[in-house]
Amino acid sequence: DGGITQSPKYLFRKEGQNVTLSCEQNLNHDAMYWYRQDPGQGLRLIYYSQIVNDFQKGDIAEGYSVSREKKESFPLTVTSAQKNPTAFYLCASKGREDYEQYFGPGTRLTVT
Amino acid sequence: QKEVEQDPGPLSVPEGAIVSLNCTYSNSAFQYFMWYRQYSRKGPELLMYTYSSGNKEDGRFTAQVDKSSKYISLFIRDSQPSDSATYLCAMSKGWGNFNKFYFGSGTKLNVKP
Repeated sequence: DGGITQSPKYLFRKEGQNVTLSCEQNLNHDAMYWYRQDPGQGLRLIYYSQIVNDFQKGDIAEGYSVSREKKESFPLTVTSAQKNPTAFYLCASKGREDYEQYFGPGTRLTVT
Repeated sequence: QKEVEQDPGPLSVPEGAIVSLNCTYSNSAFQYFMWYRQYSRKGPELLMYTYSSGNKEDGRFTAQVDKSSKYISLFIRDSQPSDSATYLCAMSKGWGNFNKFYFGSGTKLNVKP
């Protein structure tokens, strides 16, 4: 089965701790994205990567970091500098066509 | 001003009704117009896309784009309880491998049996 996997589905952390969200894809896509989704808001772009060893800040990158050491993997670290980390995080990759974007199932992060 | 505006709803309709979901946008450079369906606590899935202006039909779903008015619509005919979900519109300029997608806030739809 081809697709994007995110783990874990639910994640709980204490304030002040860094946490890393996993994203893996076996679609052989070059471009990958991280979004944040809050209630009543659209998807906001955190980081994106067009190719291995390259990534760029999106619209709300502050308090987040990423790496892209392998084509299949694009982990997101939510650092203690992120002021409101509790949210639903979605990883996506882009297919060959300009309209194609495939999403993972998401990780719900709760920080208390 | 957001680049893409979408009425958040919620929208509640009886089974069998025709549903109309809409988005407006401000950037005339958008070329691709997509509709995603998102079930609760799941990732969005692509429902339909349209390139430039015009209509596109797929079963009970019809997507319309009016670039002159910067307005897009998704119509659902004979709505079913299984259509209950949040519908997100999205747009892009189509620049090749990296494509920034601009999303609406989503409209929550509830189809009552």
